Amino acid sequence: SQTIHQWPATLVQPVGSPLSLECTVEGTSNPNLYWYRQAAGRGLQLLFYSVGIGQISSEVPQNLSASRPQDRQFILSSKKLLLSDSGFYLCAWSAPGSNQPQHFGDGTRLSIL
Amino acid sequence: QKEVEQDPGPLSVPEGAIVSLNCTYSNSAFQYFMWYRQYSRKGPELLMYTYSSGNKEDGRFTAQVDKSSKYISLFIRDSQPSDSATYLCAMSLGGYGGATNKLIFGTGTLLAVQP
Repeated sequence: SQTIHQWPATLVQPVGSPLSLECTVEGTSNPNLYWYRQAAGRGLQLLFYSVGIGQISSEVPQNLSASRPQDRQFILSSKKLLLSDSGFYLCAWSAPGSNQPQHFGDGTRLSIL
Repeated sequence: QKEVEQDPGPLSVPEGAIVSLNCTYSNSAFQYFMWYRQYSRKGPELLMYTYSSGNKEDGRFTAQVDKSSKYISLFIRDSQPSDSATYLCAMSLGGYGGATNKLIFGTGTLLAVQP
């Protein structure tokens, strides 16, 4: 069966510091991968998605970037964090192709001080 | 106007009650409709995935889509304290290509089932 792992579960970072969040999927090949941010009372917002290695689409212009160095690895990064980057970051995967349901990891809660 | 509207609750019901959760949406082009359950400090878990209008049943859960009214519902029968969570509706346009997988979420309804 397929599993998705995200780490770390919780992260506290100072303003201006860099960020790297990692997500890996097991048990499937060539998945579609997604990064979402969930803010209180605002639902989930899609940040990036990827349909293959090195292919990244950005949904929201911001202080973050994403990379997919391997088929089942998705990384969310920032060079300099802002206070507004605080939130709950969720990685998701779906089977290759279109119209497949998305399955989420357990997220990283990021606090910026 | 938000693309997807969902009453945030909280909704409190006694154990064994039938729960009705709802979302309305504005974009008539949405074709795929989902319900996720999210426990505190966890990621959303897919409960139901439906295409177009109609009903789908899975155990105690029934999803209903009315595209003519742009209204979707999730019914939970014989609710249990373990059903206490936030329920998120989501929808997508469908079609071909990565962009069509983009999900638009409601803000979630917090459900508490009292023992």
